[in-house]
Amino acid sequence: GAGVSQSPSNKVTEKGKDVELRCDPISGHTALYWYRQRLGQGLEFLIYFQGNSAPDKSGLPSDRFSAERTGESVSTLTIQRTQQEDSAVYLCASSLQGVGYTFGSGTRLTVV
Amino acid sequence: RKEVEQDPGPFNVPEGATVAFNCTYSNSASQSFFWYRQDCRKEPKLLMSVYSSGNEDGRFTAQLNRASQYISLLIRDSKLSDSATYLCVVNKGGSTLGRLYFGRGTQLTVWP
Repeated sequence: GAGVSQSPSNKVTEKGKDVELRCDPISGHTALYWYRQRLGQGLEFLIYFQGNSAPDKSGLPSDRFSAERTGESVSTLTIQRTQQEDSAVYLCASSLQGVGYTFGSGTRLTVV
Repeated sequence: RKEVEQDPGPFNVPEGATVAFNCTYSNSASQSFFWYRQDCRKEPKLLMSVYSSGNEDGRFTAQLNRASQYISLLIRDSKLSDSATYLCVVNKGGSTLGRLYFGRGTQLTVWP
């Protein structure tokens, strides 16, 4: 598609449930990133995929967080046993070999 | 120390004013520099790249001082539509090539 597509746009879940967030990057973009932004805060790096290289997972806050990407296409971010502090906007971005990011509109996750 | 530090603001200026934002980065080997704009409850969008010689795009001028590890953004003749949060962004290169580091942002409000 023309832009980065994320789904769902909003997700409300109960504490302790698992959630899966999806990102569909711009076609041909080799790099894909996940960031988190809590209310009133800056962007927090989570994970970075570049082509077929091993992903940079250094930003994942705990082992409840995981992400996968199939080739250079869709990525899913999974949060297991959600906690209230996981509430945030989860932003996905893609780029062509690290040259400038294009962000999706994000998934607003609320854990109640 | 954070990778990217920004003057948090907020800045409240009248239409037509000139306003400047500053940013410092911690890694002297950083390779690429950007300013992003984020509107309320929206995703960040690339405003402009920052080049060593300085660059201008209409009312916006970006400057880079590698010796001082300092980046600036100047907005002339402010418009109401310039109201947003401005994010200073750095690419460190090397083993993290492609990953961008975001400052927390500087909030600007332009009033009529």
